[in-house]
Amino acid sequence: GPKVLQIPSHQIIDMGQMVTLNCDPVSNHLYFYWYKQILGQQMEFLVNFYNGKVMEKSKLFKDQFSVERPDGSYFTLKIQPTALEDSAVYFCASSLGTGGISNERLFFGHGTKLSVL
Amino acid sequence: QQQVRQSPQSLTVWEGETAILNCSYEDSTFNYFPWYQQFPGEGPALLISISSVSDKKEDGRFTIFFNKREKKLSLHITDSQPGDSATYFCAASEITGYQNFYFGKGTSLTVIP
Repeated sequence: GPKVLQIPSHQIIDMGQMVTLNCDPVSNHLYFYWYKQILGQQMEFLVNFYNGKVMEKSKLFKDQFSVERPDGSYFTLKIQPTALEDSAVYFCASSLGTGGISNERLFFGHGTKLSVL
Repeated sequence: QQQVRQSPQSLTVWEGETAILNCSYEDSTFNYFPWYQQFPGEGPALLISISSVSDKKEDGRFTIFFNKREKKLSLHITDSQPGDSATYFCAASEITGYQNFYFGKGTSLTVIP
C-alpha cells in the first residue's frame, strides 16, 4: 500500500542544535501532519499543512518549530534550537484530503526517534 | 482540553476472549472516527473507522459501536489473538473543509495465549 517514508529513523543531537526531520509523503496526498509521541503513548498533534500553508498548529508547536515543503520535495519539521523536552518519536502522516467522509485516512511513517542530549 | 479520551489505559485478555476498548469525545462536530493500531517501532495504521451516520461498523473480528447522543464509541475485538497485542488509538475528525485528526492516549492491549 501507499507508504510514508521518514528520514532518518534515529537522530541524536546536542541541546541547542538545529535538527531537520524529513518526510516523503504519499505522492498524491494533499494534507501533511506531524505528531509527537513520547514513550509509545499519546499521539500529540503538532501541525498540519495544506497547499503550502500551516492550517492548524497545537500549543506544542513552539516558536522554535517550523515546517515547509519546498517545491513538492520532502515535508520537513525543523527545530531550532532544540531542547531536552523535544526528545520523542516524531511521526509524519499524510492524507488524500479529497476522499470524502469514511474514506479519509492518515498514512503514517515509521517515525523518527529524536534524542536531545 | 483533551478532545478524545480512551479507557482503559491498558487491557489484558486471554486468547479467544473479547476485548472492549472505550472512547469518548468532546466536540459534537466530529463526524468521523478511525481506530488505529500501532505495534512497537512502527507508525499507527488504520484498523477500522466509522462515520457519525452509522451506529455500528464491522470488519471481521473488529466492530465499532457508536453512540452519537452520548458521544461515545467502543471497539470490540472478538476471538482475540496474541497478534492483536498492540496499542489502539481512537481518533476523531471533522471531515469538512480542512481536516485534523485528534487522538486519544491509546489503550495498550495484551492478549495472553
